[in-house]
Amino acid sequence: GQNIDQPTEMTATEGAIVQINCTYQTSGFNGLFWYQQHAGEAPTFLSYNVLDGLEEKGRFSSFLSRSKGYSYLLLKELQMKDSASYLCAVRDSNYQLIWGAGTKLIIKP
Amino acid sequence: IAGITQAPTSQILAAGRRMTLRCTQDMRHNAMYWYRQDLGLGLRLIHYSNTAGTTGKGEVPDGYSVSRANTDDFPLTLASAVPSQTSVYFCASTAGDTGELFFGEGSRLTVL
Repeated sequence: GQNIDQPTEMTATEGAIVQINCTYQTSGFNGLFWYQQHAGEAPTFLSYNVLDGLEEKGRFSSFLSRSKGYSYLLLKELQMKDSASYLCAVRDSNYQLIWGAGTKLIIKP
Repeated sequence: IAGITQAPTSQILAAGRRMTLRCTQDMRHNAMYWYRQDLGLGLRLIHYSNTAGTTGKGEVPDGYSVSRANTDDFPLTLASAVPSQTSVYFCASTAGDTGELFFGEGSRLTVL
C-alpha cells in the first residue's frame, strides 16, 4: 500500500532551526509537496520538489531524495507564527496526492 | 469572491438528513477536489473533477456524491448523513501545472 510517514509532533525554540522529515512509499512518484496548516485554517502551499536536491524559499527549504523515498522541510529563524501543522504529500503515478497525517510544530519562546 | 469559497462554515446535522456543502472558485481552475480531514489522519480524497462535466471517485467516496455542471461550482452532497461523516471538509482546486492546491476555508460538519 501507499504510505507517508512524518512525526506526529515536534517542539522547537523561537529563533532556532527545525527539520521535519517525511518518508514515503508510493506507487510511482510525480512530485512531493509541503503545506502549512494553522489550527482551524486551510492548508497553504509551501513547496514542491520533483527533482533531487534542495529548494530554498526564504526561511523555508525543502529537500528531496527520490532514491531514499525521503524529504525534509527545514525552517530557519523560527518565529511564533510558525506554530502550525506541516503536511507532506506525494503525487503518485496516477497523479493522485497521498497525504501524510501532518506534523504539529510547537514553538516555544 | 477571491479564490475558493465554501459554505456553510459550520453545520450541525441530524443523522439521516440530506446536506449539500457548496464550493465555488473564481480562478477558472479545471480540476477540483473534495477532501475530509480527521484528527490523526491525512487528508482523504472523497471525489474529484478534472474538468466541467466529469467527476471521479477518490479514496473514501461512499455516502457522498458530487456534480460539476460548470467550471466554478463543485457541490458535495451527503444523501443521508451518518455520525462517521462528522469531519472537516475542504474543497480545493488546481491549475494543473505544478499541481499546487488552493483550498477553501473548510466546512466543519457534525452529524448527531
